[in-house]
Formats: sequence, structure tokens, C-alpha cells
Amino acid sequence: GAVVSQHPSWVICKSGTSVKIECRSLDFQATTMFWYRQFPKQSLMLMATSNEGSKATYEQGVEKDKFLINHASLTLSTLTVTSAHPEDSSFYICSAARQGAKDSPLHFGNGTRLTVT
Amino acid sequence: GENVEQHPSTLSVQEGDSAVIKCTYSDSASNYFPWYKQELGKRPQLIIDIRSNVGEKKDQRIAVTLNKTAKHFSLHITETQPEDSAVYFCAASRGALIFGKGTTLSVSS
Repeated sequence: GAVVSQHPSWVICKSGTSVKIECRSLDFQATTMFWYRQFPKQSLMLMATSNEGSKATYEQGVEKDKFLINHASLTLSTLTVTSAHPEDSSFYICSAARQGAKDSPLHFGNGTRLTVT
Repeated sequence: GENVEQHPSTLSVQEGDSAVIKCTYSDSASNYFPWYKQELGKRPQLIIDIRSNVGEKKDQRIAVTLNKTAKHFSLHITETQPEDSAVYFCAASRGALIFGKGTTLSVSS
């Protein structure tokens, strides 16, 4: 089946530093990847839509200069949290849509738990 | 944009009872409606989905119904078991999935 690999699974960083999270589709090509953030006991909130070879589309209220997204290939999207602060501590999950498969299940990575101290 | 409302936020049932979770959506263009189960600290797991050209779908103890006119869809779990205890999310697709706020289901034995 479709596998999405997300790394790292957890990271602890100091306030002011940057953290990069990788999302890879291992056995399929993903034209589009989605980044979600989930705070404890809350739902998954869509942050941005990442399209291969073009700029990401950010949801309202998400700072594009703080959450840098790069989707350089059909199998890799990265999310960089720049100048991280404690309020950025959260569970970040990526998901990928198989190329050409409209309205099909999204495949989720295992998530990255970010803790900013 | 799409907005998905989910009710109830918590649901407690006895083992063997049925559980029903309801969702409404706002964007009539949405045409794919999956349900996810999430255990603490883990990624969401797809349990069932339905597309707009279908009114009902069943998979063993789990069923989903969709009313496109009313823009609501529901998850039905029959013969609940303690291992069904988890957080359940509905979602509606406009390309990206927009999730409801989740329902914490507790099944006591």
C-alpha cells in the first residue's frame, strides 16, 4: 500500500532555532502534499497545501515566512519551522495525495512531535 | 472555505451498544468524506470513506451515511468493543481534507 514516511518522529529544539521536517512518499508520486498541525486534544488543522514545483498555498492565519514549505520533487516535501517558539510546540503531520487520484484517501505520515524549549 | 462541524465531542457507551457520530459540512463542492480513528500520539487511521455518488457504505461493524442535500454525514458503529475507544474525526474534501473537531468515544465493558 501507499506509504508516507515522515522524519523526524520527534524533535526538541531551543527557542529561536529552526527545525526541518521531511515528508516522503515512498512508493508513489505525490503531486500534492498537505501539512497539518495538531495541538493536544484538538483536531488536525490544515496549514498549507504543497504543490510540486510551485509555491505552497497557506491557510489563513498561517505565516508563510515562519513555516517554509518546499516541494522540490514528486516524492518529497519539507516543512521548516523558522525561529521556533514554545507556542510552536505541536504535532505536525503531513499527508500525500497520489498523483492523478482525485478524491482518494490521503496517506498520512506518522507525524512529528515538536517541543520548543 | 469548507467548514466541518462534528457532534458529539464526547460519547460514552456500554460494550455492545451502538455509537453514532454526526457531521455537517458547508461546501457543496466537497465530494469525498472519510472517517479517521486516532489513538493517542499516533497518526489518523482511515476507517471508512464515502463519495458523493453513494448514500451509504458499510464495512462489518462500521457504516457511513451521506445526505448531500442536507450536507451531513454520519458514522455508525455497532456492537462496540473496548478497542473501539479512540478519537474519531470526520472530514470533507476540497482537495485537502478539512477535519471536524473530533469525538472521543469511550466504550466501557
